[in-house]
Amino acid sequence: DTVLTQSPGTLSLSPGERATLSCRASQGLRSSHLAWYQQKPGQAPRLLIYAASRRATGIPDRFSGSRSGTDFTFTLTISRLEPEDFAVYFCQQYGHSPLYAFGQGTKLEIK
Amino acid sequence: QEQLVQSGAEVKMPGSSLKVSCQASGGTFGTYGFSWLRQSPGQGLEWLGRIIPILQNSQGRSPTYAQRFQARVTISADDDASTVYMEMFSLIPEDTAVYYCARDFEYGDNAVAFDVWGQGSMVTVSS
Repeated sequence: DTVLTQSPGTLSLSPGERATLSCRASQGLRSSHLAWYQQKPGQAPRLLIYAASRRATGIPDRFSGSRSGTDFTFTLTISRLEPEDFAVYFCQQYGHSPLYAFGQGTKLEIK
Repeated sequence: QEQLVQSGAEVKMPGSSLKVSCQASGGTFGTYGFSWLRQSPGQGLEWLGRIIPILQNSQGRSPTYAQRFQARVTISADDDASTVYMEMFSLIPEDTAVYYCARDFEYGDNAVAFDVWGQGSMVTVSS
């Protein structure tokens, strides 16, 4: 099974700062098969990024996704944190067993 | 803008069955696939299965299940009612979770993300 490991578990930053969240796959993953979600307390997840770097409809351009030079590590960057960005972020893969799997999440909290 | 509205919270006894509904509005129901997922503190977010768009299969919608849930979950759809259902059998306390339906966003290369979500249905399995 492919396992997605997100780091750090918790990230403490201030509004206006830059956030960098990582998602590492246990085996090679195609860029087209990685998505990112944001989840706030009591709400369903919200799709932010698909195909590793493409923003979903209505997502501000301060959110960006990228892939490292290897097959294994993907990054979600929030360029300038707004108060509403503090939430939990999940990565999700498609294609390996299980067919769709999620990372355990990174909690982005206000410092 | 499509919206998904799920049935309400439920409390179930171990060994019983569960059926959760998810009604769509504001979109073209038949052109989309829909997935069911759940979220619990112990297991995180898990994908249970999906049902493909009716237009992808001339014989009607066809479900696909995560291997872990294949024996206990049935996903179906009533296209006339724009509603998707998820049934789970032989419930155990570890099935306690928030259950979500979500619309499948197919973006090429057979990849799928989940772009519209229901509000979630809290299911508690306890004696």
